[in-house]
Amino acid sequence: QLVLTQSPSASASLGASVKLTCTLSSGHSSYAIAWHQQQPEKGPRYLMKLNSDGSHSKGDGIPDRFSGSSSGAERYLTISSLQSEDEADYYCQTWGTGTYVVFGGGTKLTVL
Amino acid sequence: QVQLVQSGSELKKPGASVKVSCKASGYTFTSYAMNWVRQAPGQGLEWMGWINTNTGNPTYAQGFTGRFVFSLDTSVSTAYLQISSLKAEDTAVYYCARSPSSSNTHFDYWGQGTLVTVSS
Repeated sequence: QLVLTQSPSASASLGASVKLTCTLSSGHSSYAIAWHQQQPEKGPRYLMKLNSDGSHSKGDGIPDRFSGSSSGAERYLTISSLQSEDEADYYCQTWGTGTYVVFGGGTKLTVL
Repeated sequence: QVQLVQSGSELKKPGASVKVSCKASGYTFTSYAMNWVRQAPGQGLEWMGWINTNTGNPTYAQGFTGRFVFSLDTSVSTAYLQISSLKAEDTAVYYCARSPSSSNTHFDYWGQGTLVTVSS
């Protein structure tokens, strides 16, 4: 079964970097994912599509501070030079054969 | 530029129906899949299913069959979500989201969301 696992929360200081993790379930380590950001009281915003080899393509207007990488079944979102507006929920998303879609449970990022 | 603009908030009584619209602009509507996502209060994102905008064929996720219907009006580049026999647990924000392919992969644009409140 295709499942995405995310830590419920993370925190980092203003100006620092943070690395969020999304883990694919066993047998699905070759899958690409997408990262989405949801700021408080707003709708989700697409950040990037991230492939298993670490290559990624970002959405329109996404700053260079956001980057992605991969290792095995893990997919990472790194945010550098953290700003207050980066405080948000971050969701990973993937898709299976037969075109069904799965979301991770989301990580709430607090900027200290 | 690509935009997905959804209809406004709705307040409905239990048992009623609601129809949420998602008007697309800035791209060829029938070339990209359209998805629907639910977010209950304080909860995460839940995929409801998608509709092939070329064929009109809908696919519903588990838990979203029966009372939920996806439809299109391609003449006005608009996708619709209709929910019938509304229950209190249908209270949520509903989002449309585009997938940048005719099949369904990741989502690259989202609507702003439509809050549906079900209350007597």
